[in-house]
Amino acid sequence: DAKTTQPPSMDCAEGRAANLPCNHSTISGNEYVYWYRQIHSQGPQYIIHGLKNNETNEMASLIITEDRKSSTLILPHATLRDTAVYYCIVIPYNAGNMLTFGGGTRLMVKP
Amino acid sequence: GAGVSQSPSNKVTEKGKDVELRCDPISGHTALYWYRQSLGQGLEFLIYFQGNSAPDKSGLPSDRFSAERTGGSVSTLTIQRTQQEDSAVYLCASSARLAGGPLDTQYFGPGTRLTVL
Repeated sequence: DAKTTQPPSMDCAEGRAANLPCNHSTISGNEYVYWYRQIHSQGPQYIIHGLKNNETNEMASLIITEDRKSSTLILPHATLRDTAVYYCIVIPYNAGNMLTFGGGTRLMVKP
Repeated sequence: GAGVSQSPSNKVTEKGKDVELRCDPISGHTALYWYRQSLGQGLEFLIYFQGNSAPDKSGLPSDRFSAERTGGSVSTLTIQRTQQEDSAVYLCASSARLAGGPLDTQYFGPGTRLTVL
């Protein structure tokens, strides 16, 4: 029962913005949208999260649609080091303890 | 500041041997999680520690797996009588989540790659 849907892969030119979409049409009112990424042979890395407002930090921006059924992670100036698998997950505010990642999007940043 | 550290980074063992994997969480983080990730697969939750509470062991795949957390800090995951299907990357994460509190961001270590021959 996948709660999020992401494209399996995307390419992006170095220096350009990478826009990674995520569908979460069954999201509940108390569920947050979280993004993690996993660079090859490394542990997952937290990127950003949000509830309903758009969020921005030093790594990325998160745009959540008004109906909250989808979101987009934006890496404003992708570098080769941003090549990774990006995971979008939805987690209840009073969640249990574990994270569960689906297939994610494999982003390839090309020179 | 220092992140989550894990040791060893790689472990090769023979089937039937016991192994111990270590995790040092971020200082001050009360919650500690163990996951494993098989090649090309997603995360599989194993166990969760929160302060002095009894751990949530619901993800441990068999009684060959156990974990402890001493002094509310360092944790050790032990796998007894290892099997080839135990081969995976074992990941540790910690968070500042308070008992009964809302979800908090988990920060992961680099993992231990376990290979059982």
